[in-house]
Amino acid sequence: DGGITQSPKYLFRKEGQNVTLSCEQNLNHDAMYWYRQDPGQGLRLIYYSQIVNDFQKGDIAEGYSVSREKKESFPLTVTSAQKNPTAFYLCASTAGAYGYTFGSGTRLTVV
Amino acid sequence: DQQVKQNSPSLSVQEGRISILNCDYTNSMFDYFLWYKKYPAEGPTFLISISSIKDKNEDGRFTVFLNKSAKHLSLHIVPSQPGDSAVYFCAASKRGTSYGKLTFGQGTILTVHP
Repeated sequence: DGGITQSPKYLFRKEGQNVTLSCEQNLNHDAMYWYRQDPGQGLRLIYYSQIVNDFQKGDIAEGYSVSREKKESFPLTVTSAQKNPTAFYLCASTAGAYGYTFGSGTRLTVV
Repeated sequence: DQQVKQNSPSLSVQEGRISILNCDYTNSMFDYFLWYKKYPAEGPTFLISISSIKDKNEDGRFTVFLNKSAKHLSLHIVPSQPGDSAVYFCAASKRGTSYGKLTFGQGTILTVHP
């Protein structure tokens, strides 16, 4: 079945640590996105990538980094510079101009 | 700058009645609008969409209405069912956007009581 796989489902980070969230898709989609969900704030765009080896900052990119070395993969690193990383992270992809397919999300908690 | 707004954080309705979820936008360049449904700890799933050339789109129990002059859209669910209880996000896309980038509203929590 085609889809987007995010892993892990739950992730715990200590203060000062970098952590990487995985996002893999087998839909042959060109564009991939990372969103963050916080209560009452909806989905906010962190980074997006339209093609391999290219990506752009979204609305809240500070403290995050990404790479797009393969069409299928778009990992997100939450660095120690991100002061409030506890959130639900969603990866999405699209083949065309409209509409996303989302992964099931990763819940990141700072301990 | 919140370009897409869902001003009602929550909505509670009785099973069998109509649910109406509202969404306002400020950017007149938006030309395509979508509704997503999200359960806790899961990713959103696409529900229904509408292009700016239409004012209504219907899919089973779900109907989306678009009022371009008011920059307002609404999602009607008739009849509402307990399984419809979820968070509903409104999203918009605009001409010339970076390959389908969507702008989301804050979401509305719908609770349908049996």
